Amino acid sequence: QVHLQESGPRLVNPSGTLSLTCTVSGAPASRNWWSWARQPPGKGLEWIGEIHHPGTTNYNPSLRSRASILVDESKNQVSLSLESVSAADTAIYYCVRGFDNSFDDWGQGVLVTVSS
Amino acid sequence: QSALTQPPSASGSLGQSVTISCTGTRSDVGLYNYVSWFQQHPGRAPKLLIFKVSNRPSGVPDRFSGSKSGNTASLTVSGLQAEDEADYYCSSFAAGSNYVFGTGTKVTVL
Repeated sequence: QVHLQESGPRLVNPSGTLSLTCTVSGAPASRNWWSWARQPPGKGLEWIGEIHHPGTTNYNPSLRSRASILVDESKNQVSLSLESVSAADTAIYYCVRGFDNSFDDWGQGVLVTVSS
Repeated sequence: QSALTQPPSASGSLGQSVTISCTGTRSDVGLYNYVSWFQQHPGRAPKLLIFKVSNRPSGVPDRFSGSKSGNTASLTVSGLQAEDEADYYCSSFAAGSNYVFGTGTKVTVL
């Protein structure tokens, strides 16, 4: 049973960097695909990007210039950084395990608000 | 990349069926057999229902079925139950090694 737990600051200043960590239990972070997705309150889902350790990454073209996803094998964690944030980046952020070009395990999500 | 197009809402009576469409392009739904469907209840994370167009993960009832024709995929929920009332999203692998989600459909059980 895979469990994903997102953590990080819930409030980020405009133009700052959003940083989130996903702690993985029940599966090795180094041997799976991991994605981040987000959902603005009351709106639909948006895929942000994915990683397969040690360094294969793919990003949503609209976020590629600002997003970075990494795996910390020693801590079994997956991280997301999103630079130069604005109010449009306010959303619930989900950590997700990739499975056969789909997404089978989701974290509970964390609401991050961009505001001063 | 643009979101896949889904109807905003759909409804059906208890025990009946409802079908939700998901329309993409020749660069995503039409190009790959990697269409998935997710169910999301209010305040909860999405749950995988269907992967690779028509495959169900272990534990998903066979009341949920998926199909695809050209650039459009479909999810059918048969024998509607009260707990099927939720938002449903499709997704597809897309050219350029991306993923795109659908706009979402709110299903109401009458």
